[in-house]
Amino acid sequence: DQQVKQNSPSLSVQEGRISILNCDYTNSMFDYFLWYKKYPAEGPTFLISISSIKDKNEDGRFTVFLNKSAKHLSLHIVPSQPGDSAVYFCAASADAGGTSYGKLTFGQGTILTVHP
Amino acid sequence: DTEVTQTPKHLVMGMTNKKSLKCEQHMGHRAMYWYKQKAKKPPELMFVYSYEKLSINESVPSRFSPECPNSSLLNLHLHALQPEDSALYLCASRPLAGGPGGELFFGEGSRLTVL
Repeated sequence: DQQVKQNSPSLSVQEGRISILNCDYTNSMFDYFLWYKKYPAEGPTFLISISSIKDKNEDGRFTVFLNKSAKHLSLHIVPSQPGDSAVYFCAASADAGGTSYGKLTFGQGTILTVHP
Repeated sequence: DTEVTQTPKHLVMGMTNKKSLKCEQHMGHRAMYWYKQKAKKPPELMFVYSYEKLSINESVPSRFSPECPNSSLLNLHLHALQPEDSALYLCASRPLAGGPGGELFFGEGSRLTVL
């Protein structure tokens, strides 16, 4: 049972355009969501997060939107740059009760390619 | 120091060998994690240590043995592994074990190949 799903294995966009990566989840106990970026042979690097009490969080070129009723979140990258080309993982945790020890459940990942 | 350092970066071992993966962080984080990542798959949690105590074991086979000697170090001892255990092993840390929010900081991983 995959609780966090990224249904698009890959996305290709032109430099300067917007990249939109999508993520769906099924576990209603998830209350914190994160996006990680991963280059080959490296560990994931944290990008941006959002708590379930918010519907938007922005950090520079990166904005995460959360639609709790649809159990859907998305990452917008504007403008996209070639250096953004990587695998992007959506992750979720259910930490409000303080008992999950920060356990993250990851989606399958989306390979983003930004063409010059 | 905002890094999680893992050694070795690459490890090749036979099925009868005993080896260890090491992880170190000096950020004062009190929760440390081992994740396993196979090619084209997401990272999967193996173990969580909270305040140097094992808090979560995700039904990992006993041929993987974690150890947390102190708040900065996390080891993963490997013995009698199988070729299907070949993967990227990721260590991560977090300031506090529980409570809302807070991202995990990952190391670069140790690429393990079992022959």
